[in-house]
Amino acid sequence: DGGITQSPKYLFRKEGQNVTLSCEQNLNHDAMYWYRQDPGQGLRLIYYSQIVNDFQKGDIAEGYSVSREKKESFPLTVTSAQKNPTAFYLCASSIDLFWDRGRDYGYTFGSGTRLTVV
Amino acid sequence: EDQVTQSPEALRLQEGESSSLNCSYTVSGLRGLFWYRQDPGKGPEFLFTLYSAGEEKEKERLKATLTKKESFLHITAPKPEDSATYLCAVLGNTDKLIFGTGTRLQVFP
Repeated sequence: DGGITQSPKYLFRKEGQNVTLSCEQNLNHDAMYWYRQDPGQGLRLIYYSQIVNDFQKGDIAEGYSVSREKKESFPLTVTSAQKNPTAFYLCASSIDLFWDRGRDYGYTFGSGTRLTVV
Repeated sequence: EDQVTQSPEALRLQEGESSSLNCSYTVSGLRGLFWYRQDPGKGPEFLFTLYSAGEEKEKERLKATLTKKESFLHITAPKPEDSATYLCAVLGNTDKLIFGTGTRLQVFP
C-alpha cells in the first residue's frame, strides 16, 4: 500500500544538538510538506517542496532546514537555533502544489514524529 | 489574512446523539475546504474536500456542507469509534493549507 513513512516515532534531543526527522513517500506525489503541531494550535507550515531540489519556507521556518534530493524523500533537520523544538511533527504530500478542482483528494499525512528536548 | 476558526473546542455526545461541528473561515479566493480526522498520536486522515458554496459530501455517518463563510460537519447517530479530533483547513490564493485548531469529539456508549 502506498503511503508516507515518518521515522522515528519518538525522538529526544539534547540542548545544542541537531536532529533529523525522516519522511519517505511512495505515492509518486510531487509536493511534500512539513508541519508542526502544538497543543491548542493549528498545524503550522514549516517548509514545503513542489519538485526535487526546490523548497520554500513556510510560516515558521526559523531554526529548521530541509532538503529534497529525491522525489520520495523530504527530511527535516531541527537545528540548535530552534529554541522551542518540543512538538509533534507531521510530514504530508499531495499530487501537486496547484490544486486541480474536481479531483477529490487532500494531503496525505504520515503518522508523525514526537520530538522532545531533554 | 486567511483564518480558520473551529467550534466548539470540545464536544461530548452520547452514542446516537447527532450534532454538528462548525468551521468558520476567511480566505482570499477559496480553492478548497478540507475536513480531516485525527486520532491521538497519529497523523490527520483525509475526509472531504468542498470547493464551492452549496456543496455537500457524505461518508457513512458524516456529512460536510459549505457556505460562503462556514462549513459544518454533521455527525448522525455517532458511535464511540467516531471519537477523534476533527480538523478543518482552507486553501486560498497563497497555496498554503491553513488549519483550524480542531474540535475534540468524545462519544460515550
